[in-house]
Formats: sequence, structure tokens, C-alpha cells
Amino acid sequence: EIVMTQSPATLSVSPGERATLSCRASQSVSSNLAWYQQKPGQAPRFLIYDASTRATGIPARFSGSGSGTEFTLTISSLQSEDFAVYYCQQYNKWLATFGPGTKVVIK
Amino acid sequence: EVQLVESGGGLVQPGRSLRLSCAASGFSFSDYYMDWVRQAPGKGLEWVGRSRNKANTYTTEYAASVKGRFSISRDDSKNSMYLQMKSLKIEDTAVYYCARVIVGATRDGYYYGMDVWGQGTTVIVSS
Repeated sequence: EIVMTQSPATLSVSPGERATLSCRASQSVSSNLAWYQQKPGQAPRFLIYDASTRATGIPARFSGSGSGTEFTLTISSLQSEDFAVYYCQQYNKWLATFGPGTKVVIK
Repeated sequence: EVQLVESGGGLVQPGRSLRLSCAASGFSFSDYYMDWVRQAPGKGLEWVGRSRNKANTYTTEYAASVKGRFSISRDDSKNSMYLQMKSLKIEDTAVYYCARVIVGATRDGYYYGMDVWGQGTTVIVSS
């Protein structure tokens, strides 16, 4: 099983600042990586697939990069609605696993 | 409006069975792969399993943690997917989400993502 790790566990950011979230796979997943956002009491929201392609309706301030084992989600200028937990998910060889999440909180 | 609605959750004793349902509307259900994802209280997301579409012969895949105990089926005539859970364990306690899956080809392989989610249904396994 491919194990995903995310860092940091919690990221404290001021509104308007840039947030950089990291995700690492225990073995190469090529670009088979997606990102999701989840707010308390809500279902996850699909953000990014194929490591860097924004899903429909996702603002341009969200961007993804990386391949192989190292990936990054960048939020260029945090808005109040962006404070949430972010999960990466690999889908290499069709068996998916999620990372433990990074919680983005207001500084 | 594209929508997924889960149902069937509840309190069940360890070792017993439960079947969850996911009702879809607003899109051509038969064309899509569908996934189940769960979230234990206060924990992260865990992929549970998948049903491919008719074009891909409805094949299913499961996470190791549920393989052999859980089974996924679907009825395209009812725009519904089901998760049959057997031999339930306390650690199966979670909110269970169904999600629509988008898949496609890329230059180097394929892409995949869960683009529409239901609101979830809660399963509590306890004696």
C-alpha cells in the first residue's frame, strides 16, 4: 500500500498570505495525485487532479505541482473561506489512499 | 442539480451487517464510476472502494481494510449504488460518503477525481 504523508499537520496563515502545503508518497505515483478541501461538518470538495489541473470552478489562487513522490498545493492569497483541512490523495494503480491532512488555521 | 444522497446508516452491533445506499440525480449515473469514502470521528478520509461503470463491466475494487467484508453493487435503473457491509467491527464506525468519479486519459496515463460528494451517512458499530 502506498502511504501518504502531509506536512505540516497544522499551518497558521494570515488572510492574504500564501500557503504552501506538502504531500509525500512512499513510492512514486507519477502525477496520479488529487487534492481535496474539507470544512467542518461538510463533505470534501474536489480541488486538483493529475497533480496540477484545477477541477471545474476552482479559483486560480489554488495551484498544484509535483510528480513522483513530492507534491505541493499552493494557495496564493488566502481568503477567509480557505481555512479548512486539505487532503492529498494518490490514485496510482487505482487503489487510492489519502494523506492525513493539513489543517490551515487563521494566524 | 447534480446530487448524491446516502442513506442506511445507524447503530449496529459488532459482527452484524448493514447496507448503505447512495441515490444519484441530475446526471447520467450509468456513465460514471462511483466510490465510497469513509471518515472515522475526528479522523481523516479513507477510501473504501469503487464500482466502475457498465462500459467497464461494473468491476469493483476495495481497500485492504474492508476487502472480503464489504461489497459494492449498483442498479443503474434506479440510479443507485450500494455498500453491503458484513462482519462489522468497531473500527468501521465512521461517516460514509459516496462520490462520483471522473476519469480520463492523459498523455502519460490517466486522471481520476471525486468531483461530487453526498452529505454522508453515519454508521456506529457498538455493543
